[in-house]
Amino acid sequence: DSGVTQTPKHLITATGQRVTLRCSPRSGDLSVYWYQQSLDQGLQFLIQYYNGEERAKGNILERFSAQQFPDLHSELNLSSLELGDSALYFCASSALPGQGRNEQFFGPGTRLTVL
Amino acid sequence: AQKVTQAQTEISVVEKEDVTLDCVYETRDTTYYLFWYKQPPSGELVFLIRRNSFDEQNEISGRYSWNFQKSTSSFNFTITASQVVDSAVYFCALSERKVTGGGNKLTFGTGTQLKVEL
Repeated sequence: DSGVTQTPKHLITATGQRVTLRCSPRSGDLSVYWYQQSLDQGLQFLIQYYNGEERAKGNILERFSAQQFPDLHSELNLSSLELGDSALYFCASSALPGQGRNEQFFGPGTRLTVL
Repeated sequence: AQKVTQAQTEISVVEKEDVTLDCVYETRDTTYYLFWYKQPPSGELVFLIRRNSFDEQNEISGRYSWNFQKSTSSFNFTITASQVVDSAVYFCALSERKVTGGGNKLTFGTGTQLKVEL
């Protein structure tokens, strides 16, 4: 168990809908990352938050957005869903690199199926 | 831009064989981190090891060992005496080092599916 929690574990929805994925980082970690894993794109970085602020953006669609709340949990919002958005979405967290630790610990993922 | 290449898509071995998973990376950064993650059939991503670019010492942890060679930009992973439980997809990843706080994104390879059979 990495200490990172994600809900829900599975999500099935229809095209055009909007969903919210939730993540709680490991205790003490201030950075949260979102990744998408799909068969055609592999594991792709989406976005990173650090202590409530957006720090880096990757291949995240405009239909997707995220935020990190004061209690450090994070939500990834996916809207106007398309079939191609079906994927496994991972959240990860890490401590400050200044402490010499940069590894990211991943949650169990949310499997999104868009029908 | 950073890039990680895992040329081996799938490897099948018989239990107790040794197996090496290859990883080649590209980066313009002089300081960076390399990682290996394991994704078993259950789907979670499990952290295995981190290596700093300024530390080329090889590492051994039980049946696992890692060979980091900066000269060839490679970070290979060897499993000795493989077991059925080692069956998984293994990902190599790279991140740059930043001076500001907050961590760094990981750039993953495409993964190597390892199948260990009896």
